[in-house]
Amino acid sequence: EAQVTQNPRYLITVTGKKLTVTCSQNMNHEYMSWYRQDPGLGLRQIYYSMNVEVTDKGDVPEGYKVSRKEKRNFPLILESPSPNQTSLYFCASSERGGIQYFGAGTRLSVL
Amino acid sequence: GENVEQHPSTLSVQEGDSAVIKCTYSDSASNYFPWYKQELGKRPQLIIDIRSNVGEKKDQRIAVTLNKTAKHFSLHITETQPEDSAVYFCAASSRPRNEKLTFGTGTRLTIIP
Repeated sequence: EAQVTQNPRYLITVTGKKLTVTCSQNMNHEYMSWYRQDPGLGLRQIYYSMNVEVTDKGDVPEGYKVSRKEKRNFPLILESPSPNQTSLYFCASSERGGIQYFGAGTRLSVL
Repeated sequence: GENVEQHPSTLSVQEGDSAVIKCTYSDSASNYFPWYKQELGKRPQLIIDIRSNVGEKKDQRIAVTLNKTAKHFSLHITETQPEDSAVYFCAASSRPRNEKLTFGTGTRLTIIP
């Protein structure tokens, strides 16, 4: 079954404690992205990757890091989380120029 | 960068009536315009998309129209049903491979039985 898998689905952490949200896709897609969704603000792109070792900033990259060492994986790293990063996060993947398929989401709370 | 505005933010229609959601974009180079539906607690899913070389696209009860001159595009849902209740997002991309999408802020559509 074609899918984008995010882990964990829910996470509560404290300010400053480094965390990683994993994202994996089994569709051999070149492109992967991370978005955050906040009420009234829609979906905002954090980072995207066009291929292995190729990443670029989206609209709200501050406070986040990503890496793309393998085609199927695109982890999102928060080195020092802050309360304003409390949000619902979505990973997505797509073929070149194609439809973006979203993961189920990760709800993060930073206390 | 690209800016996408979406209206209205909430919309209630009687079952069986039509619903229209409108978006405007700022970057005249944008050439790909998808619409996503997000049901409560679920992930966004593509329902229809249109590219800049086409003025209208239809898929059963859903249609999207694009006016490149005015830089706006709209989602039309006809014969609405209760399962159409969801949040709808428009988006735009000016990149050749659509790797960077800018989303609107969403429209919460409620279908009244």
